[in-house]
Amino acid sequence: ETGVTQTPRHLVMGMTNKKSLKCEQHLGHNAMYWYKQSAKKPLELMFVYNFKEQTENNSVPSRFSPECPNSSHLFLHLHTLQPEDSALYLCASSQQEPGGGSTDTQYFGPGTRLTVL
Amino acid sequence: GDSVTQMEGPVTLSEEAFLTINCTYTATGYPSLFWYVQYPGEGLQLLLKATKADDKGSNKGFEATYRKETTSFHLEKGSVQVSDSAVYFCALMVNTGNQFYFGTGTSLTVIP
Repeated sequence: ETGVTQTPRHLVMGMTNKKSLKCEQHLGHNAMYWYKQSAKKPLELMFVYNFKEQTENNSVPSRFSPECPNSSHLFLHLHTLQPEDSALYLCASSQQEPGGGSTDTQYFGPGTRLTVL
Repeated sequence: GDSVTQMEGPVTLSEEAFLTINCTYTATGYPSLFWYVQYPGEGLQLLLKATKADDKGSNKGFEATYRKETTSFHLEKGSVQVSDSAVYFCALMVNTGNQFYFGTGTSLTVIP
């Protein structure tokens, strides 16, 4: 497989459920990202991992919990979500220069369409 | 702060029409600029990019020129096809860090 893959592609869950979204990149990149895409709003950056270390957490509620076990895999653990969390969740990866320098283009996965009932 | 503003859609054009989607930006440093495209049911794909002033990015007949004097990066295509129907996102990346800023997206529908 090539590029960035995400599973599942669609997920429906109740507010009391616990589920996880998975992202895998096959590009040899060292930075990975979670975005939330809601209708008529700009993409919202949720989390950033560089070299497996979390470097950004843009005021995301604690009901979203990221995990980056290695530079190729990224998870988003979900628990006690709200209906307003229904959205398309996009994973992306890029190559970050050592020392926090410039970053190359971000490459996106197809997204997970999440519906919270 | 850094941000991107792009024209609101939806945009509906006939096949072979000329396309322009406006994008302007605000940035504290010297950003790189991007256009991404999202086809129905898919994630975002890089369409083109430009990393410095006066650079022109081009791909699949689409073009955009980095205009520092007008802080703009408008997307153009001379003759659109039905297969170009998608949502187009303008984005910028500042040279420090790895934060991307995206516009709200412009939906394009091309009718035969």
